[in-house]
Amino acid sequence: GAGVSQSPRYKVAKRGQDVALRCDPISGHVSLFWYQQALGQGPEFLTYFQNEAQLDKSGLPSDRFFAERPEGSVSTLKIQRTQQEDSAVYLCASSPAPDRYSNQPQHFGDGTRLSIL
Amino acid sequence: AQSVAQPEDQVNVAEGNPLTVKCTYSVSGNPYLFWYVQYPNRGLQFLLKYITGDNLVKGSYGFEAEFNKSQTSFHLKKPSALVSDSALYFCAVRAHNTDKLIFGTGTRLQVFP
Repeated sequence: GAGVSQSPRYKVAKRGQDVALRCDPISGHVSLFWYQQALGQGPEFLTYFQNEAQLDKSGLPSDRFFAERPEGSVSTLKIQRTQQEDSAVYLCASSPAPDRYSNQPQHFGDGTRLSIL
Repeated sequence: AQSVAQPEDQVNVAEGNPLTVKCTYSVSGNPYLFWYVQYPNRGLQFLLKYITGDNLVKGSYGFEAEFNKSQTSFHLKKPSALVSDSALYFCAVRAHNTDKLIFGTGTRLQVFP
């Protein structure tokens, strides 16, 4: 399809395990964003990539969260030593905008629902 | 600091009636404003945006929004609601020269037949 693809759609992990969430942005999109959406809340910004460069990671809640986009396309969000408060939907969005200050809308994937037991 | 308020957790409207979903914002300088819709177990879909120019913005699926600078509001409207419009609606704001899109907590729209 032509949209943003995220996998897996659902992930259940035990507390303390590491998880990796994948995002395939729309082909050619320069900008990529990760958001965390807690139950009943709006999405909250985690981090931003311009191609392979991570230009803003100020929203990552702790050093257990790590994101990468090594070739400027697919991105992975990794959470180490998961805790129950990490349970949320993780949304990826991409934009054709060449820079993070553009007014272009972001295109969202369907998210990964992460449940930590 | 940037913030968005959606004062109504839920809006109920009968099919065929006009609908309004409210949004107010706080941002330094001129804002970029967006509305997104989210269906169950899906990501957010872009509806419309205000960047500059006309205060009335038209978007997808017959939705429109009115930017009011003095009231710092960006209410979403539709003249005639459809049952299929039932979903969760998010207002979002971003200040110039920042990359963070700040979302409201969402308003659930329920359209009854």
